[in-house]
Amino acid sequence: DSGVTQTPKHLITATGQRVTLRCSPRSGDLSVYWYQQSLDQGLQFLIQYYNGEERAKGNILERFSAQQFPDLHSELNLSSLELGDSALYFCASSTLQGAMGGYTFGSGTRLTVV
Amino acid sequence: SQQGEEDPQALSIQEGENATMNCSYKTSINNLQWYRQNSGRGLVHLILIRSNEREKHSGRLRVTLDTSKKSSSLLITASRAADTASYFCATAAIGGANSKLTFGKGITLSVRP
Repeated sequence: DSGVTQTPKHLITATGQRVTLRCSPRSGDLSVYWYQQSLDQGLQFLIQYYNGEERAKGNILERFSAQQFPDLHSELNLSSLELGDSALYFCASSTLQGAMGGYTFGSGTRLTVV
Repeated sequence: SQQGEEDPQALSIQEGENATMNCSYKTSINNLQWYRQNSGRGLVHLILIRSNEREKHSGRLRVTLDTSKKSSSLLITASRAADTASYFCATAAIGGANSKLTFGKGITLSVRP
């Protein structure tokens, strides 16, 4: 157990639907990062939060949004889902801001869009 | 887009042998990190080397960094079957608090018992 909790572990949904992925960072970590992993694109950075504030944005589609709440958990919302959104979605947390230190990853949410 | 590119893409060795994996990157970095991922699981942080460091050790792991060549290598000595996994290098661009880790596509290491 890495200390980063992601739920659900698996999600199967239809095209056009909306889902919410949840992440609880490791205790004491203020930074949360979301990554998408697919076979063809590898690990793609989506978005970064620090203590509730958005700090950096990567290749995140407009159909996707995220936020970090006062209790530091984060949610990634994916809407108007397409087949190509099927992937593993990882949340990671870190003690330091940005990429100054190592990240602790959760075990991921496997999203399948059918 | 990927910053780090690992080489080779796949590596198969016998238990007890050493495994060397390489990573090249394009832009200036603050640090470079290596991660391991077992099939379908989350990534595990292995080691971080800063841009002003040349070599770092952690147990059976040895990482080198050559900023002039923009390359790094990860050496796993006396490999074990449990080392079978994908290995990723990740670079942290210079950018302070808003910097992010950019991952390569990974190297698949198979250690035969």
